[in-house]
Amino acid sequence: NAGVTQTPKFQVLKTGQSMTLQCAQDMNHEYMSWYRQDPGMGLRLIHYSVGAGITDQGEVPNGYNVSRSTTEDFPLRLLSAAPSQTSVYFCASSSRDRGQNEAFFGQGTRLTVV
Amino acid sequence: GEDVEQSLFLSVREGDSSVINCTYTDSSSTYLYWYKQEPGAGLQLLTYIFSNMDMKQDQRLTVLLNKKDKHLSLRIADTQTGDSAIYFCANQRGGGNKLTFGTGTQLKVEL
Repeated sequence: NAGVTQTPKFQVLKTGQSMTLQCAQDMNHEYMSWYRQDPGMGLRLIHYSVGAGITDQGEVPNGYNVSRSTTEDFPLRLLSAAPSQTSVYFCASSSRDRGQNEAFFGQGTRLTVV
Repeated sequence: GEDVEQSLFLSVREGDSSVINCTYTDSSSTYLYWYKQEPGAGLQLLTYIFSNMDMKQDQRLTVLLNKKDKHLSLRIADTQTGDSAIYFCANQRGGGNKLTFGTGTQLKVEL
């Protein structure tokens, strides 16, 4: 079981460039979400999805787009990267089953915008 | 928005107990979690507690929840050097497993 896989692990972008952070899970989880981690601020929710075709905004959605065309994949798109988006990004998935409360996290993507 | 707060640093000696504290503001929290993050890694779930419980024990870990004061703590007995990491508390509100995280507490275990 691979769990939650994020690619790439590291990325450097120039201001204004666009890119997509990939996230895939093989646990057939309904819920998926994206967080960013910044020093002294913990993790903040960017976008989340409760199932294929359904997405919603989290706490810090500006500058990011998501889509959920399949259960397995939940890509995060930066349309025009800004230095303020320099961060470590984590994707997480979890089951809708009320008895399964663990959110599984990927290893993270470290993004630097110069 | 809703806040979850933690102290930033804790230093303990190997073999002592560690207590990491967390306060939160949202009284509608359903589950409260403790995650561990080692350097360069993702987050690993350590334990969680349902909001109608006041204590949960799992081997060396004890979670205490005071709903009235909105205070959560994680006690690690017999702390080892392998416990050195950042510990995050998080609460879940509603469905979809949307989590609100604290800032994280850096635990340093000294010999």
